[in-house]
Amino acid sequence: RKEVEQDPGPFNVPEGATVAFNCTYSNSASQSFFWYRQDCRKEPKLLMSVYSSGNEDGRFTAQLNRASQYISLLIRDSKLSDSATYLCVVLESGGYQKVTFGTGTKLQVIP
Amino acid sequence: EPEVTQTPSHQVTQMGQEVILRCVPISNHLYFYWYRQILGQKVEFLVSFYNNEISEKSEIFDDQFSVERPDGSNFTLKIRSTKLEDSAMYFCASTTDRAQNIQYFGAGTRLSVL
Repeated sequence: RKEVEQDPGPFNVPEGATVAFNCTYSNSASQSFFWYRQDCRKEPKLLMSVYSSGNEDGRFTAQLNRASQYISLLIRDSKLSDSATYLCVVLESGGYQKVTFGTGTKLQVIP
Repeated sequence: EPEVTQTPSHQVTQMGQEVILRCVPISNHLYFYWYRQILGQKVEFLVSFYNNEISEKSEIFDDQFSVERPDGSNFTLKIRSTKLEDSAMYFCASTTDRAQNIQYFGAGTRLSVL
């Protein structure tokens, strides 16, 4: 089983739509979770951290379900500028700093 | 806004040559990372570095790779004898807070091995 698994997409959605991505992780001891955004041929940029209680930042909502070992990202009112690849990132716990990226989910927002 | 800077942006080298990729992390950050991304594939962790030593490395980070922080500002990745399959984008990242571990990435160095 892959350590961090995402549906690669692409998700093609019209402007204004709501879209949701899921990510599953295999290591139950994982400590921290993040969503990053990566534009084509650019570096990953932090979108938001993911907390057990769920967190929201404007049009973006992230949820963590530790029991089922998945993370979700919801984007409301999609904009053209949201088109990118969304990376699920998991940090393992313990004394080490091993960071595992998912393969990413590609989003294309269509006018 | 402080940022992680990487040089060069593109490095072309012949197979078997040594390359050094350079990174200047954000100045008050303490934890440093190298990642690679082969074109069309996912970002892969290579190594993390703290207090002048490697704290974690992946199976990709074999004896051909080494990292160094020679002068308190630069953080370098050396590939001793490059192979064709080393062609990738290499990203450096840093963070100040190990617990939260929000990493800031440089723009990357594209390494092309011919």
